[in-house]
Amino acid sequence: DSGVTQTPKHLITATGQRVTLRCSPRSGDLSVYWYQQSLDQGLQFLIQYYNGEERAKGNILERFSAQQFPDLHSELNLSSLELGDSALYFCASSVVGQAADTQYFGPGTRLTVL
Amino acid sequence: AQKITQTQPGMFVQEKEAVTLDCTYDTSDPSYGLFWYKQPSSGEMIFLIYQGSYDQQNATEGRYSLNFQKARKSANLVISASQLGDSAMYFCAMREGLSGGANSKLTFGKGITLSVRP
Repeated sequence: DSGVTQTPKHLITATGQRVTLRCSPRSGDLSVYWYQQSLDQGLQFLIQYYNGEERAKGNILERFSAQQFPDLHSELNLSSLELGDSALYFCASSVVGQAADTQYFGPGTRLTVL
Repeated sequence: AQKITQTQPGMFVQEKEAVTLDCTYDTSDPSYGLFWYKQPSSGEMIFLIYQGSYDQQNATEGRYSLNFQKARKSANLVISASQLGDSAMYFCAMREGLSGGANSKLTFGKGITLSVRP
């Protein structure tokens, strides 16, 4: 158990819908990252938040948005869903400031868009 | 150019033997970190080992060790005394820049499937 929690574990929805994925980082970790894992794209970085502020953006679609709240949990919002958005979405957290700055991953949310 | 290359499509190893999983990387940044993660069939990503670009010694964590060859830009994972539970997908990843920098994202390779035979 990495200490990072993600809910829900599975999500099945239809095209055009909007969903929210939730992540709670490890105790003490200020940084949260979101990644998408799909068969064709592999593991791709979406976005990073540090202590409530957006820190870095990757290949995140405009239909997707995220935020980190004062209690440091984060939410990833996916809207106008398409079939191609079906993927495993990971949240990871790290302390930041240590030499390794290791990212610990949550169990993931498996999104299926029908 | 790909930043992380894992070309072995699938690896097989006999239980209790050692196995090496290959990873080459590409960066012009003198400061970087290299990571290996394990993804079993259940889907979670498990951190295994870390090597910093300035580390003088190869990293070791229990049965895992990292064969870091900086000049060749390779960071191969060695698993000793393989166990059935080691069967999984293994990903090599890189963070470019110093820890705590503005961009701490990880760039992942495509992964290698390891199957341990009894």
